[in-house]
Amino acid sequence: DTAVSQTPKYLVTQMGNDKSIKCEQNLGHDTMYWYKQDSKKFLKIMFSYNNKELIINETVPNRFSPKSPDKAHLNLHINSLELGDSAVYFCASSPRPGQGGTEAFFGQGTRLTVV
Amino acid sequence: AQKITQTQPGMFVQEKEAVTLDCTYDTSDPSYGLFWYKQPSSGEMIFLIYQGSYDQQNATEGRYSLNFQKARKSANLVISASQLGDSAMYFCAMRVKNRDDKIIFGKGTRLHILP
Repeated sequence: DTAVSQTPKYLVTQMGNDKSIKCEQNLGHDTMYWYKQDSKKFLKIMFSYNNKELIINETVPNRFSPKSPDKAHLNLHINSLELGDSAVYFCASSPRPGQGGTEAFFGQGTRLTVV
Repeated sequence: AQKITQTQPGMFVQEKEAVTLDCTYDTSDPSYGLFWYKQPSSGEMIFLIYQGSYDQQNATEGRYSLNFQKARKSANLVISASQLGDSAMYFCAMRVKNRDDKIIFGKGTRLHILP
């Protein structure tokens, strides 16, 4: 049973296209995140959601729009893809402080390549 | 502002030796958690160990221990008896338990274990 699952694992697309990455967690966590890992392996937080409410938007271009239909899902939609969007995108979830446990559990990542 | 600093971009260590990976952090919040994650070449993020800011004892998990020095704001990871399979990127991370519930990461240390 995969705790945090993302689809697709690989995504190759042309500049200007719109694409979505889906994320689901079956851990019952309240908090979900999107991270971007660049070619230098730096992990930068993009968004944080707590129980479907947006908590953090870290100055991400508004071409990136997260959507949380319920607290088990946090999808990432990207409009008008640019070459610089090429990266690995990780979804993660964690219990909120006081919910029990603290670490974030990560999905396997989605390698996005924009050509 | 919160910050995580890992000053060792890369390390080479002989198999079976102990390894210390450095991490310093900065936060003005009294309640926080510190983590270490391992990212092997396959790309997944693997949680290794957690230390809470109020924990009196250093955390240990098998061959991993966290050398927590609160006054110095350091949280070094110690791997005892290193193995070839320990070759990977290692990330130090911090979660501050306030409204901006996010986990921030250091830039990582690439560890190479030599046979």
